[in-house]
Amino acid sequence: EADIYQTPRYLVIGTGKKITLECSQTMGHDKMYWYQQDPGMELHLIHYSYGVNSTEKGDLSSESTVSRIRTEHFPLTLESARPSHTSQYLCASSETGRTEAFFGQGTRLTVV
Amino acid sequence: QQQVKQSPQSLIVQKGGISIINCAYENTAFDYFPWYQQVPGKGPALLIAIRPDVSEKKEGRFTISFNKSAKQFSLHIMDSQPGDSATYFCAASIHGSGNTGKLIFGQGTTLQVKP
Repeated sequence: EADIYQTPRYLVIGTGKKITLECSQTMGHDKMYWYQQDPGMELHLIHYSYGVNSTEKGDLSSESTVSRIRTEHFPLTLESARPSHTSQYLCASSETGRTEAFFGQGTRLTVV
Repeated sequence: QQQVKQSPQSLIVQKGGISIINCAYENTAFDYFPWYQQVPGKGPALLIAIRPDVSEKKEGRFTISFNKSAKQFSLHIMDSQPGDSATYFCAASIHGSGNTGKLIFGQGTTLQVKP
């Protein structure tokens, strides 16, 4: 069982609210990622980090932002949620030199 | 531009049958090809992976076949069981000199194994 945790699991929030999705891993992995997955669709990379104070945008443009102040923590923030942000957000981590990425259970976000 | 194309979108197989899912990629720099299994309510979990220096990798009932010249790879599930019912994603990434580790996923295949 991978030690990567996401909270909350489900979130229903009104338009215009600021939200932060939490992701923590206890494996000491230096690389962390955020993927967005719409129902029945593939995962798209929206943010990644190669270590503390390192963040990069992924292949899919996203209005969200991320920070990496601690190795184990990689939160994602939406300053003003909109219905178009409704999706599942999956956090993952991997170790440099190793190929396997471990995924959290995801946060299913609904903006009404 | 879809860099990894996966087919079929859905698959129904009888228990004991063989499930085959295919993927094709475009970027020849990809050097790592994993398959992930996702069940409802959970994140994807690594099932099996292959590097382009081998043409086949087998782990239990799961086999990856890899054709570098055709830029295609496939997942074969032998003796499929109802417990294998899930969504399967192929993916590709660059782990060589680029060492990005970023995964490009296929569209997913929903597999249903009937008892």
